[in-house]
Order: sequence, then structure tokens, then C-alpha cells
Amino acid sequence: AQSVTQLGSHVSVSEGALVLLRCNYSSSVPPYLFWYVQYPNQGLQLLLKYTTGATLVKGINGFEAEFKKSETSFHLTKPSAHMSDAAEYFCAVSPYDKIIFGKGTRLHILP
Amino acid sequence: NAGVTQTPKFQVLKTGQSMTLQCAQDMNHEYMSWYRQDPGMGLRLIHYSVGAGITDQGEVPNGYNVSRSTTEDFPLRLLSAAPSQTSVYFCASSRGTAPGDEQFFGPGTRLTVL
Repeated sequence: AQSVTQLGSHVSVSEGALVLLRCNYSSSVPPYLFWYVQYPNQGLQLLLKYTTGATLVKGINGFEAEFKKSETSFHLTKPSAHMSDAAEYFCAVSPYDKIIFGKGTRLHILP
Repeated sequence: NAGVTQTPKFQVLKTGQSMTLQCAQDMNHEYMSWYRQDPGMGLRLIHYSVGAGITDQGEVPNGYNVSRSTTEDFPLRLLSAAPSQTSVYFCASSRGTAPGDEQFFGPGTRLTVL
């Protein structure tokens, strides 16, 4: 069965510091992987996705993620955190016609 | 394009009442789905549809009905509301059912069942 595990339900980083949000997946078929972001009182919006090809994927707002098949990971990074990055982030895997979300990681930015 | 719209934004129900959450999209998307979001649980799929006239159950379908008579609309019906259905509900759509298709989300409906 396909699943997604996000390590850490809450992550705090200082403004200007590196952001690292961890995601591991389980999939019996080559996965399609996503990161979505949810700002307060809003729906989810796509940050980036991996389908095939280059394993380092760049998304919006300076975020990027690297697909590592050997580690079954798809961690999200941003070199320098900004206050506007405070939100909840969801990793997701889509093996077939459904998309399976992780439980989310809330990112807090400290001034 | 308005994208995915949901009404109402907020709703309070009493146990046993029924209601319909509305969802519409103007992107001519074939795939539509309903999720509920609860603290610490992420998003859980309730029902989905791969096209007009076709619906299927997701992970947590009990207590909910759906229908898809048009491409644009995908209403979610609560038959007899229970406090366990207190949640935030999101409707989403995507162009197709290919695994890499991006899902577009509505702004959500916050439902409280007393």
C-alpha cells in the first residue's frame, strides 16, 4: 500500500535559516510526489511535484525538493526562511488515480 | 477563472440534521474529490469522481453521499450529521486521473456539528 510519512508535526526555524521538511514515502510502483502548502484559512496549493526525469525539483517561492529513490525520500528545502513561509506543508504521493497526503508539518518562523 | 469554489464557508448543524456542501469548478476538469481535514490527521479522501455520472468511495465515505450530474458540480451530502463530522472540508479538481496531475483546491467549508 502507498503511504507518506512526514517527520515532525511542527518545525521551527529562525528567519534566514535553512528550512528542511522531511518526507518519506512507500509505493509499490514508481511514485509521483508532491509538496503542497496551506496558508492559514486557505486551501492547499501546489509547491512542486516530481513525475519523471530530473530528481531535483524546483518549485515556487524558492523551495526545492530532491527525489531519492534509494532512501524513499522527498525532502523539501529552502536556503533562507522568510516570515511569509509560515504555513502547513503536506507531502503527497500519487501512485494511480488517487493522491495520498501525509499528516502535514506546520512550519514556524522565529524572528 | 474562478477555479474551485465552495459554499458555504462556515456552517453549524445540530446532530441529525442533513445538509449539502456545494463545490463547483470552471476549468472543465474531469476529476473531482472531497477531503476532510482534521488536526493531526492530514487530508483524508471521502469520495471522488473521474467524470460525470461516475463516483467512488475514498478512505472515509461513511455518512456522506455524492453525485456528479455535470462536469462542473460535485456536491457532498451529509445524511444525518454527527459530531464526528465536525471538520474542515475541501473540494479539489484536476484535469484528469493521471498520477502527475495537479489538484486544485477550493477554500474549504468549516463545519461544526453540535
